[in-house]
Amino acid sequence: EAQVTQNPRYLITVTGKKLTVTCSQNMNHEYMSWYRQDPGLGLRQIYYSMNVEVTDKGDVPEGYKVSRKEKRNFPLILESPSPNQTSLYFCASSLGSGVDNYGYTFGSGTRLTVV
Amino acid sequence: AQKVTQAQTEISVVEKEDVTLDCVYETRDTTYYLFWYKQPPSGELVFLIRRNSFDEQNEISGRYSWNFQKSTSSFNFTITASQVVDSAVYFCALSDWAGNMLTFGGGTRLMVKP
Repeated sequence: EAQVTQNPRYLITVTGKKLTVTCSQNMNHEYMSWYRQDPGLGLRQIYYSMNVEVTDKGDVPEGYKVSRKEKRNFPLILESPSPNQTSLYFCASSLGSGVDNYGYTFGSGTRLTVV
Repeated sequence: AQKVTQAQTEISVVEKEDVTLDCVYETRDTTYYLFWYKQPPSGELVFLIRRNSFDEQNEISGRYSWNFQKSTSSFNFTITASQVVDSAVYFCALSDWAGNMLTFGGGTRLMVKP
């Protein structure tokens, strides 16, 4: 089944404790991206990647890191999480640009709580 | 900069009523894509439709229809004869031709009561 898999689904952590949310897609998509969803703010893009070793900042990159060492994986790293990073996070992948732009396919989400 | 506005934050209807969700966008690009996604209570994001800026034809899929009007920068979504299962948050989104950045509106929460 074609999908984007992110783990964990739920995570509660303490301020300052480094964490990684994993993301993997099996559709051979070129683009991958991370979004966070907060009430009243919709979804905002954190980082995106157009290919292996190519990443770029989205609208809200502060406090996050990403890497794209392989085409299928795009982990999100919070080096020192803070309570304002409590949110619902989505990983997504897309086939590509132009006529291949069918929008992003989203993972099931990771609900992160930082206390 | 791109911007998507969904002015209706919450809509409540009774089953079988028709309902229209509004979406207004801003972009300086001449070529772009518009999308609608559905987020049911379970939380996942479900793709509903893609429309490119060259194609202003309205589209109908079962009880769903979309009205794209470039002149007013709007891409509205109508559900005919709404059902309880339509209850969800609906997001309108915009991307440029490259497609790497998808800008979302704030979402409209639709509640369909039996």
